Amino acid sequence: GAGVSQSPSNKVTEKGKDVELRCDPISGHTALYWYRQSLGQGLEFLIYFQGNSAPDKSGLPSDRFSAERTGGSVSTLTIQRTQQEDSAVYLCASSTSGLAGGRETQYFGPGTRLLVL
Amino acid sequence: AQSVTQLGSHVSVSEGALVLLRCNYSSSVPPYLFWYVQYPNQGLQLLLKYTTGATLVKGINGFEAEFKKSETSFHLTKPSAHMSDAAEYFCAVSESVNRGSTLGRLYFGRGTQLTVWP
Repeated sequence: GAGVSQSPSNKVTEKGKDVELRCDPISGHTALYWYRQSLGQGLEFLIYFQGNSAPDKSGLPSDRFSAERTGGSVSTLTIQRTQQEDSAVYLCASSTSGLAGGRETQYFGPGTRLLVL
Repeated sequence: AQSVTQLGSHVSVSEGALVLLRCNYSSSVPPYLFWYVQYPNQGLQLLLKYTTGATLVKGINGFEAEFKKSETSFHLTKPSAHMSDAAEYFCAVSESVNRGSTLGRLYFGRGTQLTVWP
């Protein structure tokens, strides 16, 4: 079946502009994660959605970052007033339910490569 | 928070040689353990994971890893490297007990780039 998809695959923007990154999880998966992969910080957790529960936003680096998940499926990560240090690959992952916690396998999308000029 | 250490940011082996990629975790309570592989311009693909049971875990593409609690390690091995194994490998852990953070959240090592020479 279809895996996790992300769009756009690449995004180049100017400093100060807002960007939206989209994630379509595997159908039926209720748990969704965003991670960021950068040269300086490696792979780091950003935010987690599970079903209708309040998201865990503890990994968001600043209040310029926000995310939502509509209808328990598609998720959008928004970065406002982008800065050059936001340049990174943003990865989305989904898992079956999130209820089994760390046991569940997370399936990753191909990522969105963001470059802020 | 969990800490994951991957010794060696770059490992080079000849085709047919043993591959050994090292991973150590910091938690006193053993977490769940994962190895992911990332090919250029692609997302992460799960190679194998350990959650419970047999400590020697076999994964895809001939890789295996052994959980050693006494050494807090989960090293990845493959007896004979193939050119197609060239990629970046990430060790990751997630909490096995509730410490107040998202249970499924993955903590990653910094990655090891594997080069395979012909």
